[in-house]
Amino acid sequence: GNSVTQMEGPVTLSEEAFLTINCTYTATGYPSLFWYVQYPGEGLQLLLKATKADDKGSNKGFEATYRKETTSFHLEKGSVQVSDSAVYFCALSLPITGNQFYFGTGTSLTVIP
Amino acid sequence: ETGVTQTPRHLVMGMTNKKSLKCEQHLGHNAMYWYKQSAKKPLELMFVYNFKEQTENNSVPSRFSPECPNSSHLFLHLHTLQPEDSALYLCASRLLTGPNYGYTFGSGTRLTVV
Repeated sequence: GNSVTQMEGPVTLSEEAFLTINCTYTATGYPSLFWYVQYPGEGLQLLLKATKADDKGSNKGFEATYRKETTSFHLEKGSVQVSDSAVYFCALSLPITGNQFYFGTGTSLTVIP
Repeated sequence: ETGVTQTPRHLVMGMTNKKSLKCEQHLGHNAMYWYKQSAKKPLELMFVYNFKEQTENNSVPSRFSPECPNSSHLFLHLHTLQPEDSALYLCASRLLTGPNYGYTFGSGTRLTVV
């Protein structure tokens, strides 16, 4: 079946530390891959996306590269800020399933000053 | 503001009450979704409407009843809920045609059943 697996949280980092949140996927076909972010008390917001292998999505200093050979889409940021504290969701969608989305369980990130 | 508006933001209701959640988008999207987000559980897709037609009902109890009167509005009618139904209910929309830009989510309705 189609699914997304994210690293377990919560993750706590000091400001300016390097961030990696791992995401791997299982999909029948060629998915599009997404990272969403949820700030406290809010809904999910699209952070970045990649639609084909080797694409790199980037936004607000965050990056993720679509790796077909390892079925991964790890989220990275070189220097996190307190304002990056949120829950991060990896997701995939497939045309074959009508572009229904499959979400990971979310990874909570807390950045301390 | 994301372009998807959910009201109310917070709702407390008794188990015998009837209430409705509302979702509205004017982004020109033609698919709308209800998700349930509970603490420490994955996002649960509840209902899918494509071009105003319900295409999925993921084994959701009948005490949840969706309604999509037009492509811009989506409702979730609630009655005789249980305490375990307390959660954040998220509405999302997207454009089914063209490039896959993903969902646009509302800010959610925080529901507490007492």
